[in-house]
Order: sequence, then C-alpha cells, then structure tokens
Amino acid sequence: QKEVEQDPGPLSVPEGAIVSLNCTYSNSAFQYFMWYRQYSRKGPELLMYTYSSGNKEDGRFTAQVDKSSKYISLFIRDSQPSDSATYLCAMRTGANSKLTFGKGITLSVRP
Amino acid sequence: DAEITQSPRHKITETGRQVTLACHQTWNHNNMFWYRQDLGHGLRLIHYSYGVQDTNKGEVSDGYSVSRSNTEDLPLTLESAASSQTSVYFCASSGVAGADTQYFGPGTRLTVL
Repeated sequence: QKEVEQDPGPLSVPEGAIVSLNCTYSNSAFQYFMWYRQYSRKGPELLMYTYSSGNKEDGRFTAQVDKSSKYISLFIRDSQPSDSATYLCAMRTGANSKLTFGKGITLSVRP
Repeated sequence: DAEITQSPRHKITETGRQVTLACHQTWNHNNMFWYRQDLGHGLRLIHYSYGVQDTNKGEVSDGYSVSRSNTEDLPLTLESAASSQTSVYFCASSGVAGADTQYFGPGTRLTVL
C-alpha cells in the first residue's frame, strides 16, 4: 500500500457543481497537509495548507483533514472552467521533512 | 519578487550523454528538491538538499546526482541519459519553518532519444 492514495480520475463536472477531491494515507505521523493545483505544462502551486485536523476555508475552496480516519478532502464550490487542472494532495510528518504526494487527479469543469 | 527558475525549459538529448538541468531560487530557502513527473506515477522525489554541501537520495535517485555549493542553486545531472529518464523535471524549494511549504519551478521537459 502506498503511503498516500488519491482517486485517479479523471473527473468532469458542469460549471457551478460542487467538487470533492479526496486522499487517504497510511502514515499516522503525517501532520501537515497541502493541496497543490497544477495547470497544464506548469509547475504545481500551493492551493491550501492545513496543520493537523480540522477545516480551512479560502473563498470557494475548503480543505478538511480527518486524522482519525486518515482522510483529507478538498471541496470546490461553484466550480469554474478556470478550476480545470490537476490537483495533488501532499503531506509531511514534520516541519522540515520532505513531502509525500498523491498521484493527482485531473479535473475538467465544463462551461 | 522572489522566484524559482529552471533551465532549459525543453531539452532533447541522446542516450548515453550527460545532461545537467539547472535550478535557481531567490527565496533564500535552505531546502531544495528535484522531482520527476510521469503519467501514472505522479511526482517522485529524486534528490533533495537541506543546505549547502548537504544532499540526500530520494525514491528514484539511480542515474541522477546533485551537488549544492551555494544556497541558490541545485543542479541535477543525469550521468548517462537513458530513455527511461524521459520525463518532466520539477525543482522546488522551501524554508524550514513549520508553515513553510514547497514552491515549484516551471519544469524542464526532457526527451532522451
């Protein structure tokens, strides 16, 4: 079992839909959780960052971490065509440790 | 503004040649990382460095080497390029604080013929 599993997708939704992206992990030592967004032929860019459990909201984006279930989610409300990208979850154990990434899921939002 | 740059952006080379990919960051970050990204595999860590003169192997380090002589640069060398090393390569850097996370460069698309 890989340390971080992410739904492979791809995922296609109509504009305005609520999107739920998920990752599960096996290492209970993970404490820092991130979501990166990667547009085609670009480098990943940090979208959301959460430390430990709980929710974090930023505009149309909400990140949730459930450490008891080893499960993290990213919700996108009122999805837009500009949200079409690959989304990667990432996590690490300590403040200065290396990141472990999920494989990423490609999202397409249809106008 | 601080940034992280990679060069070249595209490279075509032949099997057996030595290739060096450059990574330069102006964030003054201690930590630097090299990844490769392939369909079906996601981002895989090749090498990383936590400071000058420090280098460490990642999960797919065979056939690659790095050296860190200053804070700003971490060049990645393919000693003898193989077709299996055709990929997109990303460099990233980060600070050392808990809230710090990795900032990625734009990537280098390498083709080995």
